[in-house]
Amino acid sequence: GDSVTQMEGPVTLSEEAFLTINCTYTATGYPSLFWYVQYPGEGLQLLLKATKADDKGSNKGFEATYRKETTSFHLEKGSVQVSDSAVYFCALSSPNAGNMLTFGGGTRLMVKP
Amino acid sequence: DAGITQSPRHKVTETGTPVTLRCHQTENHRYMYWYRQDPGHGLRLIHYSYGVKDTDKGEVSDGYSVSRSKTEDFLLTLESATSSQTSVYFCAISAGGNYGYTFGSGTRLTVV
Repeated sequence: GDSVTQMEGPVTLSEEAFLTINCTYTATGYPSLFWYVQYPGEGLQLLLKATKADDKGSNKGFEATYRKETTSFHLEKGSVQVSDSAVYFCALSSPNAGNMLTFGGGTRLMVKP
Repeated sequence: DAGITQSPRHKVTETGTPVTLRCHQTENHRYMYWYRQDPGHGLRLIHYSYGVKDTDKGEVSDGYSVSRSKTEDFLLTLESATSSQTSVYFCAISAGGNYGYTFGSGTRLTVV
């Protein structure tokens, strides 16, 4: 079945550091890929998405490129802020699975001033 | 999030009592989901719905039931609450396709 694997956290960075959170997936067919962010005490919010190979999703300075050859969708940001501290979830939806989302386990990011 | 609300936001209940959580949407989306979130377990799907009166089980459905009598409302019932059901419960909605989900703000349930 479909699955998503994320790097385990927590990831601790200093403000203005470069961020990469790795995400790889296994899926049949051609899934869409998503990154969600969860701030403390809140629900998950869609951060960005990509629906086909080589697409780049971007939002709020975050980017991720859909790499079919490496089955990856790594999240990057050039300069993190304290306000980026949150849990980040990678997810996929596959037409073969009724477009239901399959989530990774989440990666906690802590940014220190 | 806009268009989806969960109630109550917080609830403390006693072991053995029934509890109902409500998810209400104003987006007219076809699909609705209930998840629980626990430390070390990520998000786990409890039940989902693909239309009025059409529901199905997720990976952790034991001890839970759902109902969807209107497009806008999806109710989650804990038939007899246990301490293992202490968790944060999230509802999500989707229009289907590759739109992804919109999540509610969650209900923190404590069973004592």
